[in-house]
Amino acid sequence: GQNIDQPTEMTATEGAIVQINCTYQTSGFNGLFWYQQHAGEAPTFLSYNVLDGLEEKGRFSSFLSRSKGYSYLLLKELQMKDSASYLCAVRAGDYKLSFGAGTTVTVRA
Amino acid sequence: DGGITQSPKYLFRKEGQNVTLSCEQNLNHDAMYWYRQDPGQGLRLIYYSQIVNDFQKGDIAEGYSVSREKKESFPLTVTSAQKNPTAFYLCATDTGVSGADTQYFGPGTRLTVL
Repeated sequence: GQNIDQPTEMTATEGAIVQINCTYQTSGFNGLFWYQQHAGEAPTFLSYNVLDGLEEKGRFSSFLSRSKGYSYLLLKELQMKDSASYLCAVRAGDYKLSFGAGTTVTVRA
Repeated sequence: DGGITQSPKYLFRKEGQNVTLSCEQNLNHDAMYWYRQDPGQGLRLIYYSQIVNDFQKGDIAEGYSVSREKKESFPLTVTSAQKNPTAFYLCATDTGVSGADTQYFGPGTRLTVL
């Protein structure tokens, strides 16, 4: 099976930066995804990494190190609407997605 | 307007009853998935289908059944054999072509068994 770990909760102040780490162990690797999920809603796609390095998309960036089995999602200039759960998901060799338990980010004024 | 629809949003059933959750998509995607989400846990795969008339068990298929008679539809039945059915159920689709495929999720159905 797959093993994906991420912190349960993080709190930060509006305007600050937060980094959510994700470590994984999988059988084969076909990419890592980050999703945002507001309470009671569907997850929405944020980013995809398959090669080592940093992918930047506006206020959000995602980093991958395949040799370390490690990724992080960086949220800059935090806004109140960024309060949500952030899910790390890995696509393994069988092309199925395996999800971490999610990190709940709370943004305080 | 393309997308994935799930109905109903909230569903209440008595213990021992079977219940079917609907999932429809008009994205012309081949692959469809059903996940279950419980508080404090990640999404867990129940069943998936990569093509019409074919489907495979995921990690927690016991107590569930599916069908894939049409490309657009992938209904999930929660049977009385499922010991703890109260959960948030999410349907997702992708093209099923490559590892870079993004999975798109429906709005979810929250099932409560009384």
